Amino acid sequence: KAGVTQTPRYLIKTRGQQVTLSCSPISGHRSVSWYQQTPGQGLQFLFEYFSETQRNKGNFPGRFSGRQFSNSRSEMNVSTLELGDSALYLCASKQISSVETQYFGPGTRLLVL
Amino acid sequence: EDKVVQSPLSLVVHEGDTVTLNCSYEVTNFRSLLWYKQEKKAPTFLFMLTSSGIEKKSGRLSSILDKKELFSILNITATQTGDSAVYLCAVEAGNTGTASKLTFGTGTRLQVML
Repeated sequence: KAGVTQTPRYLIKTRGQQVTLSCSPISGHRSVSWYQQTPGQGLQFLFEYFSETQRNKGNFPGRFSGRQFSNSRSEMNVSTLELGDSALYLCASKQISSVETQYFGPGTRLLVL
Repeated sequence: EDKVVQSPLSLVVHEGDTVTLNCSYEVTNFRSLLWYKQEKKAPTFLFMLTSSGIEKKSGRLSSILDKKELFSILNITATQTGDSAVYLCAVEAGNTGTASKLTFGTGTRLQVML
């Protein structure tokens, strides 16, 4: 079974730009969560989607948004990028009933200059 | 606000040593505690703990949860260089019937020297 895939793997943007990251979950997984990982803050929860609906949201500004498509693929968007948005963005998918089955993708490393 | 604190922040040991990693938490509506190993890529799942006092074991790794004192430990015996990684503790929390959320600690960076 293929794992969680994320594209692109690396990205360089400048302040003020916007970026869209993509995540394809493991086949059969309907829940997709997004996390931001930085050296200072560690792994922080952004949001979770299930059946195209946002089920949960972390404490991030409105510049961070996401969506999920009918095939469970998900995208997250960050508008008006700031230097502090430089991070590894991880996507994780799971079978809906158990967090134990949450599997992470390889991440997208975003650098904002 | 839910909080997960891991200690130590980093650790350097020699092959064959035994290490104990700590995780304490303060969350509302606790559901489970999870341990992950992260090398230079995505975190990989190690254990999920829901009940106090029941040790989970996988090879040289073991973990236990204390829900009264709100902490967990991860033990690694006979460490090997391949154990070098960041070990992440996460707590799942949320009301019954609602979506849960994972809160992560900042991790313990373990380096195992030859």
